[in-house]
This record gives sequence, structure tokens and C-alpha cells, in this order.
Amino acid sequence: SQQGEEDPQALSIQEGENATMNCSYKTSINNLQWYRQNSGRGLVHLILIRSNEREKHSGRLRVTLDTSKKSSSLLITASRAADTASYFCATHPYGNKLVFGAGTILRVKS
Amino acid sequence: SAVISQKPSRDICQRGTSLTIQCQVDSQVTMMFWYRQQPGQSLTLIATANQGSEATYESGFVIDKFPISRPNLTFSTLTVSNMSPEDSSIYLCSVAVLGLADPSYEQYFGPGTRLTVT
Repeated sequence: SQQGEEDPQALSIQEGENATMNCSYKTSINNLQWYRQNSGRGLVHLILIRSNEREKHSGRLRVTLDTSKKSSSLLITASRAADTASYFCATHPYGNKLVFGAGTILRVKS
Repeated sequence: SAVISQKPSRDICQRGTSLTIQCQVDSQVTMMFWYRQQPGQSLTLIATANQGSEATYESGFVIDKFPISRPNLTFSTLTVSNMSPEDSSIYLCSVAVLGLADPSYEQYFGPGTRLTVT
């Protein structure tokens, strides 16, 4: 069963704007990972944030984690048309396997 | 990280037949997994492929339908048996790579196999 719930389900923005996607989960976790999937292909690992971390950056990506609210957000700054994809959060509960959220479909219009 | 390849990348099969999907990793990994992604859906874990022993299946998935082999630490196969149109999905191989500093591990995915059953 899915632990992560993501919102919005779909997001459409103009190139150059920032995109924010949110993920909420239910149980305690070891870490949370974000992935990108282009058009039904394989998943690309974007970033892992551990439960004792609050924020992490990678290029134009910024991920935050609030374990008290059981939520995470992925911010993509200065979006490009090539960022158009589905984005998934996946939680790693302690001692358990990775569980995926439903995903957010991001469309960046040029 | 790990580089994962899958074969075939896509296939169209007739109902009642079986398809075996291969997954090859460029390095030895302890944990390998198989996922299914039905059209427009998120990923669902089918099973953990254990090297040298039987795979561990998640609820709703059985060995007779999805037999898995894992002969070594770099290779695994998933067979989708006696296929029906409901098996039309993307099937993804995944591996977990342990972090150096703590028990957290990053999980990487292959490019997927897009299966259509007619």
C-alpha cells in the first residue's frame, strides 16, 4: 500500500518559474527519496534526505523534510521544459522497503 | 550509484504466453527488487530477488505468476507467466546501494520493460 501522498496531482507552469511538490507520509521513516520519471521510462534518482536532515540541495533542486509533520517538499527552481516529467516521493520506513507515493505530473511550458 | 540495464525494453505479447525480463547491474549488489507500474499509476513492489534462495513476494503476488531467478549478485530475471491484458504494465528492476556512513540506502532503477498484452 502507498504510504506517501503527493500534491498536487498535476502542476503546469511556465518555463523559468519555480515548481513545488509536496509529499506526506504516515509512519516514521529512515529516509525519503525523490525520483523523476520521463514519459513512462525508468526512474531517475534525484535526492535522498535522511530523517535527521531538514534540508538538502542538489543543483536546482531543494528538498525539505519535516518529520514532526511527516511531510517533505521538492522545489525545482528556474524550471525548464526538460523538467516536464512525473515526480515521485518514496519513503523508507525503518526495517521496511521503499514505498512510493502516487506522484505529481509536472508540465513546464516553453 | 549503479547502472542497470533491462531487456527487452518493450514487447507486445499474446495472452496466455510468458515473457522473461532480464536485469543486469554493473556492480555486485545485495538487494534487488522488481516493481510493476500499471498505466497511470505509481510503483508497486512485486518481490525482493534474493541471491541463492527463493524470492520474497509481496502481498498479492505469487511465485507461479511471477517466478524470479537471481543466480548471482549482478543479474536477475522476472517472468510474467500466463499473461492477460491486466498484466500490461511497465516492469522495473531496482537495486539498493548502501550508504557508507549509515544504514540509509539509495535505490536505483533500470529503464523498465513496457509490456503490452493483447
